[in-house]
Amino acid sequence: GAGVSQSPSNKVTEKGKDVELRCDPISGHTALYWYRQSLGQGLEFLIYFQGNSAPDKSGLPSDRFSAERTGGSVSTLTIQRTQQEDSAVYLCASSSLGLAGVLYEQYFGPGTRLTVT
Amino acid sequence: DAKTTQPPSMDCAEGRAANLPCNHSTISGNEYVYWYRQIHSQGPQYIIHGLKNNETNEMASLIITEDRKSSTLILPHATLRDTAVYYCIVRANTGNQFYFGTGTSLTVIP
Repeated sequence: GAGVSQSPSNKVTEKGKDVELRCDPISGHTALYWYRQSLGQGLEFLIYFQGNSAPDKSGLPSDRFSAERTGGSVSTLTIQRTQQEDSAVYLCASSSLGLAGVLYEQYFGPGTRLTVT
Repeated sequence: DAKTTQPPSMDCAEGRAANLPCNHSTISGNEYVYWYRQIHSQGPQYIIHGLKNNETNEMASLIITEDRKSSTLILPHATLRDTAVYYCIVRANTGNQFYFGTGTSLTVIP
């Protein structure tokens, strides 16, 4: 079946511009996560959605970062006034939710490589 | 979530078993051990997970010590395509994120 998809695959933008990154999770997965990975580094958690609500936004690095999810499916991560330190691969993952709040393994998309010049 | 400790890098000959260790001495009773891998320029890929019993699937085997303070991921017949960074993660199943750490960079040598 279809996996997690992300678009665009690559994005080059000028410092100060806003960007939007899109994630389409696996159909039926109620949980959605955003991470970012700087060159040569591990994954950094950004935000978690359960349905359309975001109970954990603790990883968003600044108020320039925001995310929304509509219809319990597609999510958009927006970075306003981009800075060079925002350059990274932004990864989206989704998982299903079982009984008693059990979250199953996460399935990742291919990521969006963001370059801020 | 408990932290994990993994060697930064390992080599393995093609066709041999790759045994990747992970220490998680502060693991809690409700935390599972998950393994993911990340091949260059791709998103992480789920491999296997377990609580206290050993687990096996089509990709790998997971051996968890009786005290659950460490585990080993076994790739029984490593191929060149198994070259990747392998992440060991412990997480409660109601936890909402994975802490990936820096993982082990496995290089399979022809």
